[in-house]
Amino acid sequence: EAQVTQNPRYLITVTGKKLTVTCSQNMNHEYMSWYRQDPGLGLRQIYYSMNVEVTDKGDVPEGYKVSRKEKRNFPLILESPSPNQTSLYFCASSSHGLAGGIEQFFGPGTRLTVL
Amino acid sequence: GNSVTQMEGPVTLSEEAFLTINCTYTATGYPSLFWYVQYPGEGLQLLLKATKADDKGSNKGFEATYRKETTSFHLEKGSVQVSDSAVYFCALLPYNTDKLIFGTGTRLQVFP
Repeated sequence: EAQVTQNPRYLITVTGKKLTVTCSQNMNHEYMSWYRQDPGLGLRQIYYSMNVEVTDKGDVPEGYKVSRKEKRNFPLILESPSPNQTSLYFCASSSHGLAGGIEQFFGPGTRLTVL
Repeated sequence: GNSVTQMEGPVTLSEEAFLTINCTYTATGYPSLFWYVQYPGEGLQLLLKATKADDKGSNKGFEATYRKETTSFHLEKGSVQVSDSAVYFCALLPYNTDKLIFGTGTRLQVFP
């Protein structure tokens, strides 16, 4: 089954404790992206990647890192989480860049709480 | 700059009622427009899209027409079902970019 998977689905942590949220897709997609969803703000893009070893900042990259060493994986790293990073995070992928209206496929989400 | 404005929710309807969720946008050039749907506890799914002016996207009984003259992409459905209860996001892809811009989302609640 074609899908985007994220782990963990739920995470409660404390300020300053480094964490990684994994994202993997099995569709051989080139483009991958991370979003955060907050009430009243919709989805905002954190980082995206056009292909292996190619990443770029989205609209809210501060406090996050990403890497794209393999085509299928795009982990989101919070080196020193803070309470304002409490949010619902979504990973998404598409076959190519989005120009032309290419559909993105979303993972199920990771709900992160930073105390 | 580029932005999307959606009507605030929640929108509460009885089953078989007519649905309209308003979406307007600001963009230069010719963006592509999308509606995504998020069912409870799930990620977003593409519902429909339109890539040029006057295009009509449609899927599962939902429709939206890309109106450049009014910079709008309103979502409509003639007869909603309880299973349509979800959050609906309007989104904009500016021309020649790879960054999707989402609206704030509109929650739809349909009661039997």
